[in-house]
Amino acid sequence: DVKVTQSSRYLVKRTGEKVFLECVQDMDHENMFWYRQDPGLGLRLIYFSYDVKMKEKGDIPEGYSVSREKKERFSLILESASTNQTSMYLCASSRTSGRPTDTQYFGPGTRLTVL
Amino acid sequence: KQEVTQIPAALSVPEGENLVLNCSFTDSAIYNLQWFRQDPGKGLTSLLLIQSSQREQTSGRLNASLDKSSGRSTLYIAASQPGDSATYLCAVLNAGGTSYGKLTFGQGTILTVHP
Repeated sequence: DVKVTQSSRYLVKRTGEKVFLECVQDMDHENMFWYRQDPGLGLRLIYFSYDVKMKEKGDIPEGYSVSREKKERFSLILESASTNQTSMYLCASSRTSGRPTDTQYFGPGTRLTVL
Repeated sequence: KQEVTQIPAALSVPEGENLVLNCSFTDSAIYNLQWFRQDPGKGLTSLLLIQSSQREQTSGRLNASLDKSSGRSTLYIAASQPGDSATYLCAVLNAGGTSYGKLTFGQGTILTVHP
């Protein structure tokens, strides 16, 4: 079974802090993704990566950056956390992203609260 | 830009009922359509994946259909149980445009099955 783990289930941070969210997958997947999920807005893609050291912006990259130094690990960084970044953050991975059989496997999520 | 809409937003039914969840999408250039389940505060679990060339998929009490030309999918749940209570998300894997290789999600249907 594919396993995607996220470093924290719940996180509380102060405005202005630098926040790191870590995601690790154990299936040697090429692609990794970071989403945020908010009531009424659904899941929105923040950033994704299709290879080590490669990254591309998703739909809402502002205020975030990412790092992928190793294939299995994809980090989401909030450079200076703000209250509007309070959300559920979901990480996902997939083997490829251009085939009819492709699916993404999701981690359990991190509920981030910025005070 | 791909848009995915799910109807209804919420559904409450008594145990034992058969029910249908609806999903529509605006761009038929897709690799597949997936139905996910999300329990409160948790990540997403893939239920069914229908490739673009397929018409339906079945797993146990779940049956999903896809009409790509009309941009519609339905998820049929037979003999619903309280354990089916969750949010059901529909997502398409885009095969063209600026969203190529990315999932676009609907906002979900919150299902409650009461005993």
